[in-house]
Amino acid sequence: EAGVTQFPSHSVIEKGQTVTLRCDPISGHDNLYWYRRVMGKEIKFLLHFVKESKQDESGMPNNRFLAERTGGTYSTLKVQPAELEDSGVYFCASSQDLSSPLHFGNGTRLTVT
Amino acid sequence: QKEVEQNSGPLSVPEGAIASLNCTYSDRVSQSFFWYRQYSGKSPELIMSIYSNGDKEDGRFTAQLNKASQYVSLLIRDSQPSDSATYLCAVTESGYSTLTFGKGTMLLVSP
Repeated sequence: EAGVTQFPSHSVIEKGQTVTLRCDPISGHDNLYWYRRVMGKEIKFLLHFVKESKQDESGMPNNRFLAERTGGTYSTLKVQPAELEDSGVYFCASSQDLSSPLHFGNGTRLTVT
Repeated sequence: QKEVEQNSGPLSVPEGAIASLNCTYSDRVSQSFFWYRQYSGKSPELIMSIYSNGDKEDGRFTAQLNKASQYVSLLIRDSQPSDSATYLCAVTESGYSTLTFGKGTMLLVSP
């Protein structure tokens, strides 16, 4: 069984540019989460999809961040325009249901210069 | 503001020793507690979950929970060099919904 895959593994962009991160959850997992870890801080929740619907987006930092999960399969997280403070590691996780453990991807390391 | 506090370490122990990792949390309504292991550049991996006061053992790992003191710990017996990683404590109000993580404790097990 393939795990949660994230693409790209690394991204370096300039301030003001746009970046799109992709997450492919484990097949059949309805729940998909985005988390972020910025330098020196803890991993923080961004949002939660159940299938294609946003269940909880209380952790999204501002309107420069847009997450989608069209069709309830893979998800994208777009940052537009990127700022220096957006640098960090973005993790995606999926689970079969709310009582099942989260499976995390290896993350996308985003560097904004 | 929900907070989970961990000593960042590194915690250094010799091979074969017991490693003790600690975590405190601020939100009294927290009901579910998890320990994740993360190797450098890899994904966090769930190694233990605990929901009620007391001890829970799984192989070389024991999780301990004290809700009155808002304290959860992880003991690793017979530590191995392969246990060297960052250990993340996470809590949530129920199930596996929104996890609140600590910053993690780096464990170094020397041969």
